[in-house]
Amino acid sequence: QQQVKQSPQSLIVQKGGISIINCAYENTAFDYFPWYQQFPGKGPALLIAIRPDVSEKKEGRFTISFNKSAKQFSLHIMDSQPGDSATYFCAASTENSGYALNFGKGTSLLVTP
Amino acid sequence: DTEVTQTPKHLVMGMTNKKSLKCEQHMGHRAMYWYKQKAKKPPELMFVYSYEKLSINESVPSRFSPECPNSSLLNLHLHALQPEDSALYLCASSYASGSFYEQYFGPGTRLTVT
Repeated sequence: QQQVKQSPQSLIVQKGGISIINCAYENTAFDYFPWYQQFPGKGPALLIAIRPDVSEKKEGRFTISFNKSAKQFSLHIMDSQPGDSATYFCAASTENSGYALNFGKGTSLLVTP
Repeated sequence: DTEVTQTPKHLVMGMTNKKSLKCEQHMGHRAMYWYKQKAKKPPELMFVYSYEKLSINESVPSRFSPECPNSSLLNLHLHALQPEDSALYLCASSYASGSFYEQYFGPGTRLTVT
C-alpha cells in the first residue's frame, strides 16, 4: 500500500516556468517530509525537507509548502531550467518505522528550452 | 563531504553465483540503509542498520544477507538470486536513525541476474 501519493506522474514545463508537484499522505505519525531529485543512472539526491511544525521552507529556487490539516505537501520549482529535468520523489518518515523513507511513486519532470 | 560510495557500479551474475555489494561512508553516520529500486519505481527499503546492528528487515528473502562490519561499511551478500532481483541497489546513510537526520544516497549498483 502506497503511504504517500504523488502527482502528477509526469510534467512538462517551459524554461522559466514554475513546476509544481503534489504529495498527500494518510499516516498522521509522519513527521519528516523530504524531496529527492534523481537523474538517470544516479542515486537520489536530497533537495529540501520540511517538518510539520513549519508551513513553508524555501531554498533557492525550491520551495516546500506544507498543509498539515489537509495532509498534503508540495514542491515548487521556480524559474525551471532544462537542468532540472529529472525524476522527483517526495517521501515521508516516522519514528514508528525507524525513520525509513516511504517514497511517492515519482514525477518525471521535463523542462523544455 | 556528503559522499556515499558503492562498488561495483555494475554487476552481472548467474542464479547460482555468490557476490557481494559494498557501501562505504566516512561522514561519521551511524545509520545505514539498503534500498532496491526497479526501473521507473521509487526506492524500496530492504534493511536498516543502526549503530552497526540490524534494526529493520523489510521481510527481504534470505538470498539477500546484509552485514555491517563497522560503522563506515555496509555489505549486501547475494546468493541464488532470481532474474526478478535485477534492479538498482542503493545504499544510504544518515547521522542516526532519526527523522531530522537527512539520508544521503550512493550512486547505486546496477545488478543484472541472468
